[in-house]
Amino acid sequence: KNQVEQSPQSLIILEGKNCTLQCNYTVSPFSNLRWYKQDTGRGPVSLTIMTFSENTKSNGRYTATLDADTKQSSLHITASQLSDSASYICVVSAPDSNYQLIWGAGTKLIIKP
Amino acid sequence: DSGVTQTPKHLITATGQRVTLRCSPRSGDLSVYWYQQSLDQGLQFLIQYYNGEERAKGNILERFSAQQFPDLHSELNLSSLELGDSALYFCASRAPGQKNEQFFGPGTRLTVL
Repeated sequence: KNQVEQSPQSLIILEGKNCTLQCNYTVSPFSNLRWYKQDTGRGPVSLTIMTFSENTKSNGRYTATLDADTKQSSLHITASQLSDSASYICVVSAPDSNYQLIWGAGTKLIIKP
Repeated sequence: DSGVTQTPKHLITATGQRVTLRCSPRSGDLSVYWYQQSLDQGLQFLIQYYNGEERAKGNILERFSAQQFPDLHSELNLSSLELGDSALYFCASRAPGQKNEQFFGPGTRLTVL
């Protein structure tokens, strides 16, 4: 069964610190992997998108890595800010005709001043 | 602003009632996806439409139905509402192209009393 698992479930860090969120998936084959940021009560917003041939992708202070061999991805946040408090969701796309997305449960990140 | 609009923003109703949620996709996007997100839960895929036709079904209850109209807007109909149907309902539209990114609307918060 295609699954996407994320860890930790929640994380609290101090403003200015770095953190890394993990995503393991069993989707195979897969088309691409995305990281979304979802603020409380808002719709998810895409941070990065990587195909199976890409190892890393950056978007400002966000850097995503992908190891297609071990089926693992990580999202590293540098110099965290209070506005980074949100849920971060790993989403894997299977290459079927409907382009369905398989969603992880997300990691809830809280940045404390 | 993702370009996806949803109305209404909030909806409060009673058990047993029926409601209709509306979504307008981004200009040029043919696909519409509906998701349900209960409190502190991940997004659950409900149903997808492409250019007016149903493409895929997820965990959608029989009490729920949807359609996509010729102008590409979509409606999600929820009937015989139960307390457990209280949730955020998101609509997303898919960008054409290889990476198949979905753009999310602001959501409709449904409260069933």
